[in-house]
Amino acid sequence: GAVVSQHPSWVICKSGTSVKIECRSLDFQATTMFWYRQFPKQSLMLMATSNEGSKATYEQGVEKDKFLINHASLTLSTLTVTSAHPEDSSFYICSARDQQGSYEQYFGPGTRLTVT
Amino acid sequence: QQQVKQSPQSLIVQKGGISIINCAYENTAFDYFPWYQQFPGKGPALLIAIRPDVSEKKEGRFTISFNKSAKQFSLHIMDSQPGDSATYFCAARGTYKYIFGTGTRLKVLA
Repeated sequence: GAVVSQHPSWVICKSGTSVKIECRSLDFQATTMFWYRQFPKQSLMLMATSNEGSKATYEQGVEKDKFLINHASLTLSTLTVTSAHPEDSSFYICSARDQQGSYEQYFGPGTRLTVT
Repeated sequence: QQQVKQSPQSLIVQKGGISIINCAYENTAFDYFPWYQQFPGKGPALLIAIRPDVSEKKEGRFTISFNKSAKQFSLHIMDSQPGDSATYFCAARGTYKYIFGTGTRLKVLA
C-alpha cells in the first residue's frame, strides 16, 4: 500500500515551453501533497505544499507564477513548469500525506526534467 | 533552527560492517524523525522512523537511536551489504512538513 506515482518519469523540453508533471496517490487519499526539487548530489528542497481544493503554499524563494501547482482531487496533484529554462532542469519529486493524518509522507519515484 | 545537520557526507564501509549516520536538530517542536534511502534516479524510500518519546527502534538490520536531550538521532545499519550502497537522508517533521538533512552517500565494499 501507500504507493505514489509520477508521470512522466523523464521529460526533455525546449527552452520557453511548459511542462506538466503529474503526481498520483494510487491506493490512498491525500489531502496534502508536497513538491520537492533535488539537484545532483544534493538534498531535497521543498518547493510547495498543495492542499486539495485550495491554493498551494510556496516556500520562500520559489516563484509561484513559474511553478504552477494544482491539487484538483484527493489523488492527483500537478506541477507545471512554465516557460522552462535550462536552469529549471532538475529532479522533481512529489510526496503525499495520507488523509488519515498519519505522520508519514509517501514519495513518488521522481521526474527528471531536462530543458534544452 | 529549522535545519537538520547530517554527518558524515560520505561513508565507506566494508561488507558486514556497521554503518553509522548521525543527525542533529535544534527545533524541539519536531515530532517525527524518519530516515530515507535513495538510489540514483529514484525517489526516497522510507527505511525506518521514530518519535521522540522512544529512545531506540529496530527493524531488521536498521536501528534508530534517539537522544532527546542532546537533540540527536542516528541510523545504524548492521551487517552492511553492497546493496545498501545509496544515499541516506534523515528528516524531521515540523508542523506539516519535513526538513531534510544534507544526505550521506554510503558505499559498502564487497
